[in-house]
Amino acid sequence: DSGVTQTPKHLITATGQRVTLRCSPRSGDLSVYWYQQSLDQGLQFLIQYYNGEERAKGNILERFSAQQFPDLHSELNLSSLELGDSALYFCASSRGQVNSPLHFGNGTRLTVT
Amino acid sequence: GDSVTQMEGPVTLSEEAFLTINCTYTATGYPSLFWYVQYPGEGLQLLLKATKADDKGSNKGFEATYRKETTSFHLEKGSVQVSDSAVYFCALSDRRGGSNYKLTFGKGTLLTVNP
Repeated sequence: DSGVTQTPKHLITATGQRVTLRCSPRSGDLSVYWYQQSLDQGLQFLIQYYNGEERAKGNILERFSAQQFPDLHSELNLSSLELGDSALYFCASSRGQVNSPLHFGNGTRLTVT
Repeated sequence: GDSVTQMEGPVTLSEEAFLTINCTYTATGYPSLFWYVQYPGEGLQLLLKATKADDKGSNKGFEATYRKETTSFHLEKGSVQVSDSAVYFCALSDRRGGSNYKLTFGKGTLLTVNP
């Protein structure tokens, strides 16, 4: 058990809809990362937060947004969903220091129909 | 930008065989290097890491050496077990700043070990 909790485990929704994925980091970790895993793109970094502030942005679409709350949990919001957004979305957390390992949750599998 | 290239899978071996999964990287700075493993239905777990040239990371019988001259970090294990069946990801860090830190992953290599 990594200590990172993601909910829900599975999500099935229709095109055009909006969903929210939630992540609770490991106790004591200040940094939260979101990754998208798909068969064709592999693991793509989306965004990183550190203690409530956005710190790094990757290949995140404008239809997607995220935030980290004062209690350090994070939410990833996906809107105007398309079929191509179907993927496994991982949250990871770390202490936020250089070389700190990332601890991954078990992911949320999103299926857009 | 930074990138990681690892050997295409899948890799299928018999138990007790020798394993090598190749990984090379491109980075603008001086990254740290990692191997993560993903078991079915789970998230990624850190397997080993190396933070500077010639460092050897090791864990659970797996090893990888940070080779700056060849920009490589190949994963090896002398005798694989069925329980090693998983997807293996090579990754590098972006060390631009202490809290501004992310990992770039390779596409993953599926390893299947048969009894």
